[in-house]
Amino acid sequence: QQPVQSPQAVILREGEDAVINCSSSKALYSVHWYRQKHGEAPVFLMILLKGGEQKGHDKISASFNEKKQQSSLYLTASQLSYSGTYFCGTVSGGSNYKLTFGKGTLLTVNP
Amino acid sequence: DGGITQSPKYLFRKEGQNVTLSCEQNLNHDAMYWYRQDPGQGLRLIYYSQIVNDFQKGDIAEGYSVSREKKESFPLTVTSAQKNPTAFYLCASRETTGGKTDTQYFGPGTRLTVL
Repeated sequence: QQPVQSPQAVILREGEDAVINCSSSKALYSVHWYRQKHGEAPVFLMILLKGGEQKGHDKISASFNEKKQQSSLYLTASQLSYSGTYFCGTVSGGSNYKLTFGKGTLLTVNP
Repeated sequence: DGGITQSPKYLFRKEGQNVTLSCEQNLNHDAMYWYRQDPGQGLRLIYYSQIVNDFQKGDIAEGYSVSREKKESFPLTVTSAQKNPTAFYLCASRETTGGKTDTQYFGPGTRLTVL
């Protein structure tokens, strides 16, 4: 089942912060975050494992709340280069690896 | 440089024709994937292969076919049976370490337009 991302779109001014959420109705093993520029390939940002860890990549960090089966991506002091569509991909419990993607969140950072 | 290549970047075809999209990787990854991307729909899995000479249907396999004769190659054929083939097609690969933390890496994509 496809994870649900919110919001669908967000517009920021350079320097502002944003949070993107990814929720699943299934018990998750891992959450993978990607950023895609228009017409290009999605680029891997980070992976979160169950256990509630938090990770960082530059000024972008993420957390995984196992109780809520939700991951949040935090973009701090946004830069113009952060613009793009952010996708979360989830891997559920069980023996098989299957990465299921949400519909994406379009982030626009304006000067 | 290691990576995934897809060709061509843009492809046009007439309705009723089959067309094959190329995907090659030199990352020595075992698993390869094909996704379709439509505006507002995210990435939907068409087919995947975890080993040479084996592949499985994904969520939207109807109207598509694949082969995996070599580890580095996973071509996708869009057949005339696919009702709405115009889309952005992404190929991905993954190193299978046996865990569920493996990362998928994507190729640059092929934009297919059916005229």
